[in-house]
Amino acid sequence: EAQVTQNPRYLITVTGKKLTVTCSQNMNHEYMSWYRQDPGLGLRQIYYSMNVEVTDKGDVPEGYKVSRKEKRNFPLILESPSPNQTSLYFCASSLTPSGGSYEQYFGPGTRLTVT
Amino acid sequence: SQELEQSPQSLIVQEGKNLTINCTSSKTLYGLYWYKQKYGEGLIFLMMLQKGGEEKSHEKITAKLDEKKQQSSLHITASQPSHAGIYLCGAGGNRDDKIIFGKGTRLHILP
Repeated sequence: EAQVTQNPRYLITVTGKKLTVTCSQNMNHEYMSWYRQDPGLGLRQIYYSMNVEVTDKGDVPEGYKVSRKEKRNFPLILESPSPNQTSLYFCASSLTPSGGSYEQYFGPGTRLTVT
Repeated sequence: SQELEQSPQSLIVQEGKNLTINCTSSKTLYGLYWYKQKYGEGLIFLMMLQKGGEEKSHEKITAKLDEKKQQSSLHITASQPSHAGIYLCGAGGNRDDKIIFGKGTRLHILP
């Protein structure tokens, strides 16, 4: 089954404790992306990756890191989480972005709470 | 930077009624997506439009991209409880590979 998986689905952590949210897709997609969704602000892109070893900042990259060592995986790293990073996070993948030519497949979401 | 504005922000309709959601871009659209999200869950792809004047339908949902490619509308005919959720429009840029989304329209269907 074609899918994007994220782990963990729910996470409560404390300020400053490093964490990683994993994302994996089994569709051999080149493009992968991380979003955060907040009430009143909608879905905002954090980072995206065009292919292995190619990553770039989205609209809200501060406080986040990513890596793309393999095509299927795109982990999101919070080196020192802060309460303003409490949010619902989505990973997505698509064949290529190409000016919006392909649909994105979304993971189920990770609800992160930083206290 | 490009922005997508959706209207209305929230919509409550009686089951069986028709409704329309709009998505307006501040710049020319090169690819416009419509997604549906159930509360707290992932996004489900509905349709993609690329050409000015293009119209696509899936079951009782029809989406159009206007000729000038700066606005899209999503129309639901004879709404059902299963249509309830958040509808988001998304767009890919032409000169970069960022993808942006509107803030969503929350749709409630009254039985």
